[in-house]
Amino acid sequence: EPEVTQTPSHQVTQMGQEVILRCVPISNHLYFYWYRQILGQKVEFLVSFYNNEISEKSEIFDDQFSVERPDGSNFTLKIRSTKLEDSAMYFCASRETAYGYTFGSGTRLTVV
Amino acid sequence: SQQGEEDPQALSIQEGENATMNCSYKTSINNLQWYRQNSGRGLVHLILIRSNEREKHSGRLRVTLDTSKKSSSLLITASRAADTASYFCATDRSMQGAQKLVFGQGTRLTINP
Repeated sequence: EPEVTQTPSHQVTQMGQEVILRCVPISNHLYFYWYRQILGQKVEFLVSFYNNEISEKSEIFDDQFSVERPDGSNFTLKIRSTKLEDSAMYFCASRETAYGYTFGSGTRLTVV
Repeated sequence: SQQGEEDPQALSIQEGENATMNCSYKTSINNLQWYRQNSGRGLVHLILIRSNEREKHSGRLRVTLDTSKKSSSLLITASRAADTASYFCATDRSMQGAQKLVFGQGTRLTINP
């Protein structure tokens, strides 16, 4: 069964450093997403991406965040200058139509 | 309260019993989905029910949707220890375009052997 692949599974970074979280969505999917989950809390929407541009972003997705689909297969989330409160599990998801989201297994980001 | 609120927040039952988790939401939806998450792990899609469906089954899972009450329930029958996890409902208002899922707070289910 097709999967959404996320790398790395765990990343530790120093406060103020830039991080790039990588995702390979399912190849024929058209819509791409990033969600995050702070430990013990609910999953929150960050951004959706379609047709090579951001469709919608949440208030969490400020100027420190950016997304890119650089080569037609990868979908990346960049955090320019990480803060302690960016520590969370970040999930990538993709879908083909109005149904059927597929989530990756997540990247646990720890900012120290 | 926010879209996609589950109750109870935590549920502890004996193996073999049935577990019922409920979800309420506020806006109209295209579909509602249930996900499972083992501690600290990824989200696993369990079942999707469309707004024009009232009930759906998948193995030991049964989901109902009442759009008039804006609520859904997830029933796990004959629970097993391996069912221990957090369960989230998520609503999708997509009709066209990218849209997004809105998740609830989740129900932490513990199955005692």
